[in-house]
This record gives sequence, structure tokens and C-alpha cells, in this order.
Amino acid sequence: GAVVSQHPSRVICKSGTSVKIECRSLDFQATTMFWYRQFPKQSLMLMATSNEGSKATYEQGVEKDKFLINHASLTLSTLTVTSAHPEDSSFYICSAPGQGRLSGNTIYFGEGSWLTVV
Amino acid sequence: DAKTTQPTSMDCAEGRAANLPCNHSTISGNEYVYWYRQIHSQGPQYIIHGLKNNETNEMASLIITEDRKSSTLILPHATLRDTAVYYCIVNFNPTGNQFYFGTGTSLTVIP
Repeated sequence: GAVVSQHPSRVICKSGTSVKIECRSLDFQATTMFWYRQFPKQSLMLMATSNEGSKATYEQGVEKDKFLINHASLTLSTLTVTSAHPEDSSFYICSAPGQGRLSGNTIYFGEGSWLTVV
Repeated sequence: DAKTTQPTSMDCAEGRAANLPCNHSTISGNEYVYWYRQIHSQGPQYIIHGLKNNETNEMASLIITEDRKSSTLILPHATLRDTAVYYCIVNFNPTGNQFYFGTGTSLTVIP
């Protein structure tokens, strides 16, 4: 079964609105989570590292005010796309390093969330 | 930035072994080699990882050259459900470290 879960799996929002995507670690705690974006027929691009209890670290070129990341607990990180535009339409994926009963050397990925901005 | 190079695409006949190569010539001594695959419209799925020794699990085998500059993922008996994009990634123990993805290899298993 999935060890990292994302919600929603698909979302459609109107241009100019904000949308929140949740990423949860199941059965383990994740002090760090990672957010990726993937456009069609392209590879995954790391957007930011989400740190529990502190600010996220953003990759170069990623607007932190547009992609708000909150890691309020050891099992939940959220990505909010603010003032969404059609070019933000993409597949968003989160991941977390396995801990506890899971291998400490493996990163597990969520199922992904499709965002369509109309 | 990704530190690996992989062929863009490969075909494999169903039931045969699929051998997917990866070059990682700048790998450092304590970096692991990880393999993931991504089936269309899904999140990446962990396959296997290794440091120096060859590894095998229920999904695949990982062969790492002695100089660690390249590796090969082997799917021993490919099925149609193995059609996916396969990513080779090198990184330290991932706790606190990010994975940077290259372009991967698109494997098509042919009936």
C-alpha cells in the first residue's frame, strides 16, 4: 500500500484562485518532504524541500510566494499554489524519506496530484 | 542537477530480460545508486538501490561496476506492465537530501 498519500489526486481551479495540495506520510514521521512538478513528457523537477517546523527551502527559479509550503506536523506537508494561472497546470508530486519500519535509505513518492487551471 | 545519463528509450520483448544502463561517472564514494520507475500519470515507484555490491530483490537486480561509474538495472522477465520510464539517481543517504531526476529511459515492453 501507499506509504505517502496525496490529496486531491485531481483538481480543477479557476485562474486567479488558490489551490492546496496535501501530502501525508502514512505510518511514519517525516521531518523532511520534497515537492516536485512534472510537465507532460518531461522529467520531475524538484521545487522545494519542506522542513517540519521551519521554512521551506526552494530551488532556484521557484517563486516562494507563489508556491507556499507549510509543514505543520511530522506527517503532513501542504503546497498551496496561489493566484494560479493556466501555466501552473501540471502534475505535482511529493516524497518523503522512509523511516521507522521502512528502509531509512529509500524515498517514497506520493501518487501525484493533477492540477488544471482554467 | 542530475548526475546520471541514460538512453532515452529502449524496447524489450515480453518475457525477455530488460537491461537498462546508467552512467554516473562523477559519483562520489558514499553516494548510493537508486532506481525508480514511473508509469504514466503515477508517482515514481522505488525499485532498488545499492552502494557497491550488486543487489537483488523481488523486482529487479542491480549490477554496479567495480569503479562505480556505471550500473545496470535488470528486469529478469519483462512483462507488459513493466512499460514505464526508468530513472537512475545517485545520492547520499536520502534523509534530508533531495533527489534530482534526469530524463530517464522510456522502456517499452513489446508483446
